[in-house]
Amino acid sequence: DQQVKQNSPSLSVQEGRISILNCDYTNSMFDYFLWYKKYPAEGPTFLISISSIKDKNEDGRFTVFLNKSAKHLSLHIVPSQPGDSAVYFCAASNAGGTSYGKLTFGQGTILTVHP
Amino acid sequence: NAGVMQNPRHLVRRRGQEARLRCSPMKGHSHVYWYRQLPEEGLKFMVYLQKENIIDESGMPKERFSAEFPKEGPSILRIQQVVRGDSAAYFCASSPPTGANVLTFGAGSRLTVL
Repeated sequence: DQQVKQNSPSLSVQEGRISILNCDYTNSMFDYFLWYKKYPAEGPTFLISISSIKDKNEDGRFTVFLNKSAKHLSLHIVPSQPGDSAVYFCAASNAGGTSYGKLTFGQGTILTVHP
Repeated sequence: NAGVMQNPRHLVRRRGQEARLRCSPMKGHSHVYWYRQLPEEGLKFMVYLQKENIIDESGMPKERFSAEFPKEGPSILRIQQVVRGDSAAYFCASSPPTGANVLTFGAGSRLTVL
């Protein structure tokens, strides 16, 4: 039962263009969403998050959009840089409950940014 | 300012042996989480511990797996009588005493069962 889904296993983008990574969830109890970036042989690194009371959060080149009615979120990276090439994981939690820190992850999307 | 430290980074075991994975949380963090990543999959929650307490072990397999976070020393994830299906990357994460939605992950321990 995959509660968080990233339907695109991979995405290839030209340097300077926008990268859009998508994520869908099914559990309506999720109220906090995060994106992590992972390089090979390293642990996931936190990138950006959003609470369900917002529909957008921006941090530099990274913006996360949340559409609660569609149970969909997306990560926009603009402009994309070769150093952004990594696996991106979407994650969700029920922060209002007692198990904050218990994250449900998607399968990941491999982003490749070409120079 | 060390982050989350995991060791060993790589561990090879034969079927039936025991695997012990260790995790030292970030300084000032007292909440520890273990996640497992099977090949081609995302990370899956296993267990959430505070010092000397298991808070949530809903993701732990019912048999052969155990976790502890003693008053002194690192958190330990123990897998007894390993099988090939246990081969995976095991990630530890930590958060501060006030709790947090944002976890800091270690680099992981990759277990290979021959």
